[in-house]
Amino acid sequence: TQLLEQSPQFLSIQEGENLTVYCNSSSVFSSLQWYRQEPGEGPVLLVTVVTGGEVKKLKRLTFQFGDARKDSSLHITAAQPGDTGLYLCAGARGGSNYKLTFGKGTLLTVNP
Amino acid sequence: DVKVTQSSRYLVKRTGEKVFLECVQDMDHENMFWYRQDPGLGLRLIYFSYDVKMKEKGDIPEGYSVSREKKERFSLILESASTNQTSMYLCASSEPPTDTQYFGPGTRLTVL
Repeated sequence: TQLLEQSPQFLSIQEGENLTVYCNSSSVFSSLQWYRQEPGEGPVLLVTVVTGGEVKKLKRLTFQFGDARKDSSLHITAAQPGDTGLYLCAGARGGSNYKLTFGKGTLLTVNP
Repeated sequence: DVKVTQSSRYLVKRTGEKVFLECVQDMDHENMFWYRQDPGLGLRLIYFSYDVKMKEKGDIPEGYSVSREKKERFSLILESASTNQTSMYLCASSEPPTDTQYFGPGTRLTVL
C-alpha cells in the first residue's frame, strides 16, 4: 500500500506568517496534486506537479516536487485568513492506474 | 470549468434504508470516483469507474455498490444503511492522460 504522509497535521498561525506543509512517501509518483478543501465543500485543485524538481508558484503559494518524485512541499508566504482550510496532497502512479493516493491532510488556521 | 454536481448536500436516513447518492459531471470525463471522508482517516476510495458499465472496487467497497449507466452519471448505493456509514461522501471525475481529479461539493450523510 502506498502511503503519503503529510505534516504537520494541524497548523495554527497568525496572519502574515510563513509556513511550509510537507508531503512524503517512499513511493515514486508520476505526478502530485495539491488540493484545498474548505469546511463543507469538496477539495479544489490548486496545482499539479509532474517533473522531478519542478517548482510552481500560485501567487503567495509555492509548490515543489522532489527530485526523486517521492515528496512535495507547499510554502505559503504572508498567510492570510482566506488561506484557512484543509490542504491535501495526492499522488498518481500514472499509466492505466487512474487512482490517486491521498495524504490525510494539513488543517491550516490563519488567525487575523 | 469542470463541474461535478452531487444530488444532495445533506441527507439524513434511518438504519436499514436503501440510499442513493447521485453524481453528475459535465466534462465528458471517462473516470469517476466515490470517496468517503472521515476525520483522522482522510479520503478513502470506495469505488471507481473507468467507462460506462465498468467499475472497480476501491479500498473500502463493503456495504456499497455503484452504477454507471451513462458516462456523465455515477451513482453510489447503500443497500442497507448503517450508522457506521455516516460520513462525508465525495464524488470526483478525471480524464486521461491527466490524473487530476475534480470534486463535487460533497454529501454529508447521517444514518440514524
